[in-house]
Amino acid sequence: QKEVEQDPGPLSVPEGAIVSLNCTYSNSAFQYFMWYRQYSRKGPELLMYTYSSGNKEDGRFTAQVDKSSKYISLFIRDSQPSDSATYLCAMSPGGGNKLTFGTGTQLKVEL
Amino acid sequence: GAVVSQHPSWVICKSGTSVKIECRSLDFQATTMFWYRQFPKQSLMLMATSNEGSKATYEQGVEKDKFLINHASLTLSTLTVTSAHPEDSSFYICSAKFGVDGYGYTFGSGTRLTVV
Repeated sequence: QKEVEQDPGPLSVPEGAIVSLNCTYSNSAFQYFMWYRQYSRKGPELLMYTYSSGNKEDGRFTAQVDKSSKYISLFIRDSQPSDSATYLCAMSPGGGNKLTFGTGTQLKVEL
Repeated sequence: GAVVSQHPSWVICKSGTSVKIECRSLDFQATTMFWYRQFPKQSLMLMATSNEGSKATYEQGVEKDKFLINHASLTLSTLTVTSAHPEDSSFYICSAKFGVDGYGYTFGSGTRLTVV
């Protein structure tokens, strides 16, 4: 079993839809949770980050962490074609330790 | 802030030659850098962690003699793929840790290596 599980998709939605992306994990030591967006042939860019459990909102994006269920989510409201990319969840226990990534979910927002 | 510059963005080399990829932190000092490899439609696979002034720590299954990592300064880490073969063709990405927070990781734009 992988430490972090993420549905690879692809996920195709119409413009304006609400998108829900999810990851589950098994390592209870993870404290920092991140979502990265990666466009084709580019490096990942940090989209959202959360420490421990809770919600965080930034514009059209909301990140949720439920440590009791070992489950994290990223919601994208009013999705746009420019949101089409691969979304990677990542997590770490902190202290400069390496990140553990999910496999990434490929999202396509269609006009 | 916290920008990492990676060069080249793409390179084609002949089988048996060596290729060097550079990763520079532009506006901060990167004590720790990471090198990843990514296959098409797959996630990032950590190859090694490098700390400035010391030997890199390689992940299990990564050949340290083939993938040479040097982190001689706080702003530069290099990955050299030695005696490259077609199976080494991949997308290589560097990352650097910045700040003290557990989410402070920034990534380079990646290098697409094609070995012919």
